[in-house]
Amino acid sequence: NAGVTQTPKFQVLKTGQSMTLQCAQDMNHEYMSWYRQDPGMGLRLIHYSVGAGITDQGEVPNGYNVSRSTTEDFPLRLLSAAPSQTSVYFCASSTLNQPQHFGDGTRLSIL
Amino acid sequence: AQTVTQSQPEMSVQEAETVTLSCTYDTSESDYYLFWYKQPPSRQMILVIRQEAYKQQNATENRFSVNFQKAAKSFSLKISDSQLGDAAMYFCAYRSAWGGSEKLVFGKGTKLTVNP
Repeated sequence: NAGVTQTPKFQVLKTGQSMTLQCAQDMNHEYMSWYRQDPGMGLRLIHYSVGAGITDQGEVPNGYNVSRSTTEDFPLRLLSAAPSQTSVYFCASSTLNQPQHFGDGTRLSIL
Repeated sequence: AQTVTQSQPEMSVQEAETVTLSCTYDTSESDYYLFWYKQPPSRQMILVIRQEAYKQQNATENRFSVNFQKAAKSFSLKISDSQLGDAAMYFCAYRSAWGGSEKLVFGKGTKLTVNP
């Protein structure tokens, strides 16, 4: 009963490096989303997908890239990491009219 | 755009007592969902309770209940018989009933401390 799996759980990057945060779900959910959580800010939507091959921007998309080639996977890419992207990142999935299921988060620090 | 406001950054309650966390929201939509999520120190996001806007009856889940006032755009969470394990950040969230389930709008959260 894996649910939503995020890897890695922790990561430290240097400014300018690139990396991909992985997200996979095994519930056959059509909807998937990425959020970032900063102190005192709650969670804010970065990008989301309503199905394989379909993605769109959320509230804070700049500096991030996504793709959805399969129903199960929704990776988040940082092309050139910046200190402002230091945050905790959550992936979530859901199906129509059902609450979102969240992964355990990835804590990302950018030096 | 919708907004969610949690006006209490921190709250505390004595074990076994009752506490109410406040949430207000702004929307022009008539059909939507509201949620309370709990985030313990483990960082997990745990759904506590949800409310459909078209339902007048307030949702209840064991010790957790809501007071949903649609006209006032208010959605408070009441925790009865508070337990030490209730200590966490609590987030109120809004989701439109249109366009699918992909977008939640969160408040900034309320940190709840439970004193023994």
